[in-house]
Amino acid sequence: GAGVSQSPRYKVAKRGQDVALRCDPISGHVSLFWYQQALGQGPEFLTYFQNEAQLDKSGLPSDRFFAERPEGSVSTLKIQRTQQEDSAVYLCASSLYTPTRPGTSGVASSYNEQFFGPGTRLTVL
Amino acid sequence: KQEVTQIPAALSVPEGENLVLNCSFTDSAIYNLQWFRQDPGKGLTSLLLIQSSQREQTSGRLNASLDKSSGRSTLYIAASQPGDSATYLCAVPNNAGNMLTFGGGTRLMVKP
Repeated sequence: GAGVSQSPRYKVAKRGQDVALRCDPISGHVSLFWYQQALGQGPEFLTYFQNEAQLDKSGLPSDRFFAERPEGSVSTLKIQRTQQEDSAVYLCASSLYTPTRPGTSGVASSYNEQFFGPGTRLTVL
Repeated sequence: KQEVTQIPAALSVPEGENLVLNCSFTDSAIYNLQWFRQDPGKGLTSLLLIQSSQREQTSGRLNASLDKSSGRSTLYIAASQPGDSATYLCAVPNNAGNMLTFGGGTRLMVKP
């Protein structure tokens, strides 16, 4: 079946422009995650959705970053007034169930594996 | 706050060598640890996931071990091949299980 897809794969923006990055999760996946990966670094968490609800946005670096998932499937990460420090690869991941810890109630007591898309490489000039 | 460190940052070996990649984490109260592979321009591919109750997991030429008490995990690659060249990342989930904290990765190059 199809995996997580992201578009565009590459985006070049002039400083100050707004950009929108799209993520199509695996069909039926409840949870969706956005990560930011700077060159030579590991990914860093940005935000998390459970269906259409944004339950954690603690990783968003500034109020210029905004994410939405209005119908609980496709998600868009929007960056307003882009800055050079926004240049990075933006990764999207989805998982079938909502996160739960072993021993707690929930849909699944095992770890809910996150499946990653290919990412969008954003370059801000 | 959980911090994950990977050593070495880069590694170059001749084909056929056995090698070990290291991952350390500061908060030992994890319930699993995952190893990923990332090829240039690509997303992350999950390699192995070790539950906290396990000490190791094996998949083909890959073996990952976990020592929670010392805050360490190792990924062992046997008989390395040029196709193993990639960046290897380890990651642990937070207490809520809704985010992964990644190490900086080890960039591996296996020369023919």
